[in-house]
Amino acid sequence: GAVVSQHPSRVICKSGTSVKIECRSLDFQATTMFWYRQFPKQSLMLMATSNEGSKATYEQGVEKDKFLINHASLTLSTLTVTSAHPEDSSFYICSAGKQGELFFGSGTQLSVL
Amino acid sequence: GQQLNQSPQSMFIQEGEDVSMNCTSSSIFNTWLWYKQDPGEGPVLLIALYKAGELTSNGRLTAQFGITRKDSFLNISASIPSDVGIYFCAGRGAGTASKLTFGTGTRLQVTL
Repeated sequence: GAVVSQHPSRVICKSGTSVKIECRSLDFQATTMFWYRQFPKQSLMLMATSNEGSKATYEQGVEKDKFLINHASLTLSTLTVTSAHPEDSSFYICSAGKQGELFFGSGTQLSVL
Repeated sequence: GQQLNQSPQSMFIQEGEDVSMNCTSSSIFNTWLWYKQDPGEGPVLLIALYKAGELTSNGRLTAQFGITRKDSFLNISASIPSDVGIYFCAGRGAGTASKLTFGTGTRLQVTL
C-alpha cells in the first residue's frame, strides 16, 4: 500500500494559539488530499478536500477561516487550526488517494488547554 | 455529513471464532473499502471492492460487494487477539475523486 505521513502525532497547545498539521504522501503524488476529524468512539467526518494548486473545498458547517488548508505541492498538504479553542480538541486525520484507494496518515491528537 | 449504517456497533467474541459485520446504504456506491483502526492511529486499508458481487479475500478476511451496490460485508475467520480494533466500511460514488462516506464503525473485542 501507499504511505501517507502525518506530523505531529500529538500536540498540546494553549487556547488562542494556532497549530499546523502536515500531511505528506511519501511514495506517490496526490493532487487531492482529504482532512477528517474524529471524536472519541465516533466515525471519521470529512472536513475538507485539499486540492493542489487551488482552494480547498470545505464540507458544510466547517469554517474555512478556522481550518486553513494549503496544498502547495503534489506531496504536501497542511491544515492549520487557527486561534484554537478547547472545542477544537480532536483527532485529525489526513488521507490521500492512489489508484482508487484511499490511504490514511497516522492522525494527530490535538488537545487545546 | 452522510454516514453508512454499520452493524453490529460492537461485539465481544472468543479467540478462534468467526466474525461477520455489514454495512448498508441508501445510496449506490461504485467502490467499497474496509478499514481497521487501532486506538490513536489512522485507519489501515484491509480490502477494496470495485464490482457488484465481487468477493475478495485478504488472509483471514473476506469481503463482498453487495449485488445491489448498497451494501457490503466483512468476515474475519478464526479471530485472534490482534484483530481487536474498530472496523469501518467506506463507500465511494461515481468517479475516483468522489469523497468517501464512512460507516459508523464496529468495535471488535476478542477474549482469550
